[in-house]
Amino acid sequence: QQPVQSPQAVILREGEDAVINCSSSKALYSVHWYRQKHGEAPVFLMILLKGGEQKGHDKISASFNEKKQQSSLYLTASQLSYSGTYFCGTEMGTDSWGKLQFGAGTQVVVTP
Amino acid sequence: GAVVSQHPSRVICKSGTSVKIECRSLDFQATTMFWYRQFPKQSLMLMATSNEGSKATYEQGVEKDKFLINHASLTLSTLTVTSAHPEDSSFYICSSRGSGGEQYFGPGTRLTVT
Repeated sequence: QQPVQSPQAVILREGEDAVINCSSSKALYSVHWYRQKHGEAPVFLMILLKGGEQKGHDKISASFNEKKQQSSLYLTASQLSYSGTYFCGTEMGTDSWGKLQFGAGTQVVVTP
Repeated sequence: GAVVSQHPSRVICKSGTSVKIECRSLDFQATTMFWYRQFPKQSLMLMATSNEGSKATYEQGVEKDKFLINHASLTLSTLTVTSAHPEDSSFYICSSRGSGGEQYFGPGTRLTVT
């Protein structure tokens, strides 16, 4: 079942922050975050596993609330290079190992 | 991270013909690879799981006789779109799962059926 992402789109000025949310109605084993630039394949950002955790990569971080089956991606002090479409992908469990269900995506535009 | 390549990057074919897309793992052996499809301005949809040495498993709604998957070696999986029609025009992406659970995507193949 496809996770629900919000917002659909966000426009930021360079240096501003944004939060992208991803929620599922079913129990999750893991949540993945990817960024896709126009015409290119998605690029892996980070994975969060069941057990609830937070991770960070440069000024992009994410959290996973296992009880709520929600994950959030935080873009801090955004840079022009952060522009793209962000997708969360969810993995339900070991019986669906590697099979990701992706959200509809959040288009992020960072302007100078 | 793992490196996955795809060939061709773009292909244009006529309606009714078949097209083969190759997906290679360059620096690791992949017993399992995944095929996704992405229509313009839409999300990625999992089509099938490619298993080395055995039959692929297809997601609900994906025609296995139309999208033939072969995974003959630990480094190569192929997707053949048979009797392609304009509605099959899409961005096809393969991926492989890393040891930490992350997915590494190939660069994708843009198929246009005229």
